[in-house]
This record gives sequence, structure tokens and C-alpha cells, in this order.
Amino acid sequence: EVQLLQSGGGLVQPGGSLGLSCATSGFTFSGYGMTWVRQAPGKGLEWLSSINADGVGAEYADSVKGRFTISRDNSKNTLYLQVNSLRADDTAVYYCAKGGLSSGPLDYWGQGALVAVAS
Amino acid sequence: EIVLTQSPATLSLSPGERATLSCRASQSISSFLAWYQQKPGQAPRLLMFDASNRATGIPARFSGSGSGTDFTLTISSLEPEDFAVYYCQQRRNWPLTFGGGTRVEIK
Repeated sequence: EVQLLQSGGGLVQPGGSLGLSCATSGFTFSGYGMTWVRQAPGKGLEWLSSINADGVGAEYADSVKGRFTISRDNSKNTLYLQVNSLRADDTAVYYCAKGGLSSGPLDYWGQGALVAVAS
Repeated sequence: EIVLTQSPATLSLSPGERATLSCRASQSISSFLAWYQQKPGQAPRLLMFDASNRATGIPARFSGSGSGTDFTLTISSLEPEDFAVYYCQQRRNWPLTFGGGTRVEIK
């Protein structure tokens, strides 16, 4: 059974940083690209970043480029998102998902982690 | 950036009725379109991929069609558990983009 278990959300002050993790199991992690998506309260889905299977290539949405960093550890089957210079409009539920572009659709999703940016 | 426009924003229907949801792309995306269902407090769930392929475990009442710029998700006969928000998403080009969503609500 494919599982994506997220951790690392929380309350952070404007300008602060946070690390999100997505521990996976049930599939060959090193064979698939992975993606982060977020959803602001009451809003739709926004793609943030994707990383390819070997971790060499990554893409970012303009809204987070230079502030967020996606990475992965294939030995630990885990995906990461480091979020820096947080703003109030970064408040959202952050989801990790398996897939993205050439790795196919986003076929499995984590449970989500709330990141709230407030002073 | 490829913009996906979903219509209608809200669909009010009764159980047993047919639902037809539309997704239009600002440029051709071939068949690289997926549909997701999201219920309150839950992560999105993949329904359809590559326009017309049902994901694992998705009931046959869900079907998808289209290619190029115009796509449709059809639910042949609405069950109570189908009332939710539906999103389309393209993976033809970076950035990956989602449509704004269609809410299917009980009439």
C-alpha cells in the first residue's frame, strides 16, 4: 500500500522558516518524481515545486522561487520542502504528492500539513 | 503558463442525475490532463489521468474525454459520496497548473 506521511507544519512568524517532510512507503521512491502542492484557506490548489527521481532537477512556481527549496533523500524514501522568508499569504495546507510532469499524474497524496504565518 | 478554466463554478444536482464538468486549456495540452476530487478536510484524490483513464479503484460512473484544449469529466449518476469539489490539472508543461475547481453540490 502506497503511503505518504507528512510532518513539520506549524505556526511561524513572518520572515521565519520551516521544514516539511514527507516519508513514503509502498513504492520504489527512487523511481518517481515528487511534487509539493498547497491550498490556502477556502481556495484552490496551487503547484509549488517538483523534483525528478534522482533529485538532480527541480522546478518551482514563480511565487516561491528563491524562498522554497525542494529536496529528497532516496536512501530514506523521504521528500522535503524547506520554506524560508515566509509571508502571511504562504498560510496554507501543504501537500506532498507522488508524480509530476514526466512521472505521471499526482496519483498519491500526503495527508497535508498546515503552515500558518502570523505574528 | 497554461491557464485551465473550469466551468461551471458550481453545479447543483440531485443524486441519480448526470454531472458534466468542463475544463478548457489556454493552449493545447494533448491528453496530459488529470481530474481530482476533494472533499472537505481531505487531500485531493486522483480520478482520471491522461484525459480518459480511470485511476485505480475509481468507479465506472466516472468518465473523462477530450484532447487538445477541451476536456470533460462526466459522472453518469451521482451518488451521495460524489458531492465534492473537482479540479483539473495539466502536466504538459511547467509550471504544472490546476483549474479553479467545480463544486458539485446537492440540489
